Amino acid sequence: GNSVTQMEGPVTLSEEAFLTINCTYTATGYPSLFWYVQYPGEGLQLLLKATKADDKGSNKGFEATYRKETTSFHLEKGSVQVSDSAVYFCALFYNQGGKLIFGQGTELSVKP
Amino acid sequence: DAMVIQNPRYQVTQFGKPVTLSCSQTLNHNVMYWYQQKSSQAPKLLFHYYDKDFNNEADTPDNFQSRRPNTSFCFLDIRSPGLGDAAMYLCATSRVTPGGTEAFFGQGTRLTVV
Repeated sequence: GNSVTQMEGPVTLSEEAFLTINCTYTATGYPSLFWYVQYPGEGLQLLLKATKADDKGSNKGFEATYRKETTSFHLEKGSVQVSDSAVYFCALFYNQGGKLIFGQGTELSVKP
Repeated sequence: DAMVIQNPRYQVTQFGKPVTLSCSQTLNHNVMYWYQQKSSQAPKLLFHYYDKDFNNEADTPDNFQSRRPNTSFCFLDIRSPGLGDAAMYLCATSRVTPGGTEAFFGQGTRLTVV
């Protein structure tokens, strides 16, 4: 079946460290891929998206590239800040049928 | 300006007493979703509407029902809430287009069962 798998957390980094959160997916066809962020006590916010193979989504210093050959959409940031501490969710959207499913989430904690 | 509005933000209900959560959208999106989220776990898709087509997830309990009377509104009915149904319930909308899509989420309704 179709699914999204993220690396397990929590991930703890020092400020200005490099961040990678892995995400891989299983799907038929050509889904769109997203990263959502959830800050403590808040709702889900779209961080970035990519709608076709080799697209790169970027926002607020975060980047992710849609890699069809490796079925991956890894999230990266060159220099994290304390304010980036949150839970990050990778998500997959099926254009046919409109179904949107999430990975299990990765908690990021950035220390000063 | 809120585009996906969930009411109420906090709901307390008694064990076994039916409860309805509501969601409205001003985006005219054709897809609406209901998710259940516990603690910091992944949002679990309960069901979604693609236009008028209702899509129920295989593992969604029968206790959960949904109604979408028009494009703008969608309701989640929990017929007999149990303690295990206490969670954050998230409504989302999206529009499927050839160029891709984006899902917008409401702030959620936190349900407490007493």
